[in-house]
Amino acid sequence: AQSVTQLGSHVSVSEGALVLLRCNYSSSVPPYLFWYVQYPNQGLQLLLKYTTGATLVKGINGFEAEFKKSETSFHLTKPSAHMSDAAEYFCAVSFSSNTGKLIFGQGTTLQVKP
Amino acid sequence: ETGVTQTPRHLVMGMTNKKSLKCEQHLGHNAMYWYKQSAKKPLELMFVYSLEERVENNSVPSRFSPECPNSSHLFLHLHTLQPEDSALYLCASSQERGLEAFFGQGTRLTVV
Repeated sequence: AQSVTQLGSHVSVSEGALVLLRCNYSSSVPPYLFWYVQYPNQGLQLLLKYTTGATLVKGINGFEAEFKKSETSFHLTKPSAHMSDAAEYFCAVSFSSNTGKLIFGQGTTLQVKP
Repeated sequence: ETGVTQTPRHLVMGMTNKKSLKCEQHLGHNAMYWYKQSAKKPLELMFVYSLEERVENNSVPSRFSPECPNSSHLFLHLHTLQPEDSALYLCASSQERGLEAFFGQGTRLTVV
């Protein structure tokens, strides 16, 4: 079955530290991969996406993610955390353009400590 | 106005009420979605519309009834809901199914 797993429901980092949020998927076909961010009582905002081509993708707010097919991973990173990065982050995957189903991970809450 | 707009932002309703959630997208997209987000649960896809035709219904109870009158508007009609239906309901749209979705800010629904 196709699925998405985010390791760690809560991640806490200090301001200025590296942010690493993990996402793994299971699929037998090439995926489209996405990271979204959600601030309290808001909708989801797209951070970045991978469809084809370069496996290292850069997104908004200094975030980037790398698609590693051999590891079936799409981890999200940011070199230096900012207080404003505190939010919930969702990894999502779709497997073809004719199903329309974005499958979301459980989410990871990022806490940034001063 | 741009993006995906949902109204109302907050809704409190009794179990015998009938209410509707509205979603409007100004992006020229062909697909629209309803998601349910409950505390401590993954986002649940409820319905998918493509070119105004419902293409997916993820075993959603009949007390939730979607309507897509045109490619820009999506409604979710609510009737005799249960307290466990309290959640954040998110509307989204995408250019085509399976591509990145753009979300509205959601309607926070409380059923009392």
